[in-house]
Amino acid sequence: AQSVTQLGSHVSVSEGALVLLRCNYSSSVPPYLFWYVQYPNQGLQLLLKYTTGATLVKGINGFEAEFKKSETSFHLTKPSAHMSDAAEYFCAVSENTGFQKLVFGTGTRLLVSP
Amino acid sequence: NAGVTQTPKFRILKIGQSMTLQCTQDMNHNYMYWYRQDPGMGLKLIYYSVGAGITDKGEVPNGYNVSRSTTEDFPLRLELAAPSQTSVYFCASSTGVGGPANQPQHFGDGTRLSIL
Repeated sequence: AQSVTQLGSHVSVSEGALVLLRCNYSSSVPPYLFWYVQYPNQGLQLLLKYTTGATLVKGINGFEAEFKKSETSFHLTKPSAHMSDAAEYFCAVSENTGFQKLVFGTGTRLLVSP
Repeated sequence: NAGVTQTPKFRILKIGQSMTLQCTQDMNHNYMYWYRQDPGMGLKLIYYSVGAGITDKGEVPNGYNVSRSTTEDFPLRLELAAPSQTSVYFCASSTGVGGPANQPQHFGDGTRLSIL
C-alpha cells in the first residue's frame, strides 16, 4: 500500500527566506508524485507533479520539487517566500492505475511572517 | 470557467437526518471523486466514478452513497447522519485523456458539514 509522510504540520518562515516542505513516500511501484496547495476556504490546486523523466520539477508560483528515488523523497522548495505563499500544502502519491487514485499526506501549513 | 461546483457551502444537520451534497463539473471529465478532509488527517477518498453509471468505493465509504447518472453530476448522499461525519467534503474531477499521469484533479471549494 502506498503512503505519504509530511514532516512538520506547521512550518514558519520569514518573507524572503527559503521554503522547504518535506515529503517522503512509500510505494511498491514507480510512483507519480504531486504537490497541491490549499488556500483558506478553497479547494486544492495543483502546484506541480512528477511522472517520469527529469527529477527536478518546476511548478507554479516559483515552487519546485526534486524526486529522489534513493531517499524516497519529493521535497518542495521555493528560494524566497512571499506573504501570499501562506497556505496548506499537501503531498500526494499515485500508482499508474487506470485513473488517478491519490493518497494524500496530512498536510503542512506554511506561515510567512513579514 | 465554473470548473467544479459544490453546493451547499455550509450545512448543519441533526443526528439521523439525511442530505445530498451536490457536485457538478463543466469540463466533460470522465473521472470524479469525493473526499473528506478532517483536521490533521489529509484527504480521504470516499467514492469515485470513472464514468456515467460506474461508481466504486474508496478508502472510507461507510455511511455514504453515490450515483452518477450523467457525466456532469456526482452527488454524495448521507442517509443517517452521525457526528463522525462532521467534516469538510471535497468533490474533484479529472480527464481520462492521456493516462493517469496527465490527470491533475480539479477540486471544488468544499462543503463544510456539521452534525450535531
